[in-house]
Amino acid sequence: DAGVIQSPRHEVTEMGQEVTLRCKPISGHNSLFWYRQTMMRGLELLIYFNNNVPIDDSGMPEDRFSAKMPNASFSTLKIQPSEPRDSAVYFCASSLATSGGGYFGPGTRLTVL
Amino acid sequence: QKEVEQNSGPLSVPEGAIASLNCTYSDRGSQSFFWYRQYSGKSPELIMFIYSNGDKEDGRFTAQLNKASQYVSLLIRDSQPSDSATYLCAVNEEGFQKLVFGTGTRLLVSP
Repeated sequence: DAGVIQSPRHEVTEMGQEVTLRCKPISGHNSLFWYRQTMMRGLELLIYFNNNVPIDDSGMPEDRFSAKMPNASFSTLKIQPSEPRDSAVYFCASSLATSGGGYFGPGTRLTVL
Repeated sequence: QKEVEQNSGPLSVPEGAIASLNCTYSDRGSQSFFWYRQYSGKSPELIMFIYSNGDKEDGRFTAQLNKASQYVSLLIRDSQPSDSATYLCAVNEEGFQKLVFGTGTRLLVSP
């Protein structure tokens, strides 16, 4: 079975550019999570969705960040405009709403110059 | 603010020994507890979860939970060099899926 799929795996961009990260959750999972991981702050939850509906976006750092889930098999995290401090590994994870936890994708390593 | 605390390590153990990883949490409402393993440059991998006080065993891994002390631990028996990784503890409240992660404990198993 395919796990969580993320693209791109690596992204290098310049400050001020728009960045879009993509995620395909595990088929049948109805919860989707976006995390960011840095050495300084560890693993932080940015936002999560249940049945395609955003439930908690309190971890989204600022208005430059936005996330959508137009259907059960696809989600995006967009940063516009990007800044060097956004450099991090961004993970998408999915789970069944009843089980907790979550299965992580391989991550997108974002570097903003 | 809900917090999950872990010693960053590294915790060094010889091959074949028992590795004991510990985690404390601040929110008494926490109901579900998870252990993830993360190899360098890779994504976190769920290895254990526990909901009830006591022990839960899965192969070489045992998760232990003490809600009164707000303490959860992970024991790895017969440690192998391939167990060398960072182990992340995560907790959430009943009915809430938001996980709060600790910063992880780095485990080094020497041959």
